[in-house]
Amino acid sequence: NAGVMQNPRHLVRRRGQEARLRCSPMKGHSHVYWYRQLPEEGLKFMVYLQKENIIDESGMPKERFSAEFPKEGPSILRIQQVVRGDSAAYFCASSHTGQPQHFGDGTRLSIL
Amino acid sequence: GNSVTQMEGPVTLSEEAFLTINCTYTATGYPSLFWYVQYPGEGLQLLLKATKADDKGSNKGFEATYRKETTSFHLEKGSVQVSDSAVYFCADHKAAGNKLTFGGGTRVLVKP
Repeated sequence: NAGVMQNPRHLVRRRGQEARLRCSPMKGHSHVYWYRQLPEEGLKFMVYLQKENIIDESGMPKERFSAEFPKEGPSILRIQQVVRGDSAAYFCASSHTGQPQHFGDGTRLSIL
Repeated sequence: GNSVTQMEGPVTLSEEAFLTINCTYTATGYPSLFWYVQYPGEGLQLLLKATKADDKGSNKGFEATYRKETTSFHLEKGSVQVSDSAVYFCADHKAAGNKLTFGGGTRVLVKP
């Protein structure tokens, strides 16, 4: 039973480019969460989605960031016009309703 | 909003030493409490959890007890191994909102 799969593991972008991070939840999980971990810090909640719906995006920056979890395919976290401060590890988690969240290995985003 | 505070690291120990990592939470109500562990270059793995007051979570020799009176969930292990070297995160989860709030993480280094 595969765990939460994130790709790519490492992503390098130049300032102004777009970054797309993908997350496939564990089989049967309908809840997806994105967290950001800045260097030497804890994880901060960004967004919580269920299939085709954003449930809570209170942790998402107001501009440049968006997330989706379509009916078919992985969840996507999209960052437009990246800046140096976007460099971080982005973790996806998934869960069944009312169950603990399981995390992927993360995507480490580096902005040149 | 709620917050989770854990002791800062790094914590450096010798093999077979006793480990304690303090964690306190400020959420109102009755959150579930978790400890996650992050090995280098990997995502977070659920280590243990407790869902109500006085519950004790345990796994791989680690234990933590949900203390409502002191709003704490301290992590302990009686005899650490080199393989326990990792970053440990305390987190709480409220059903309303369905998101985890993490502490800042505590890096533990166990030397042979």
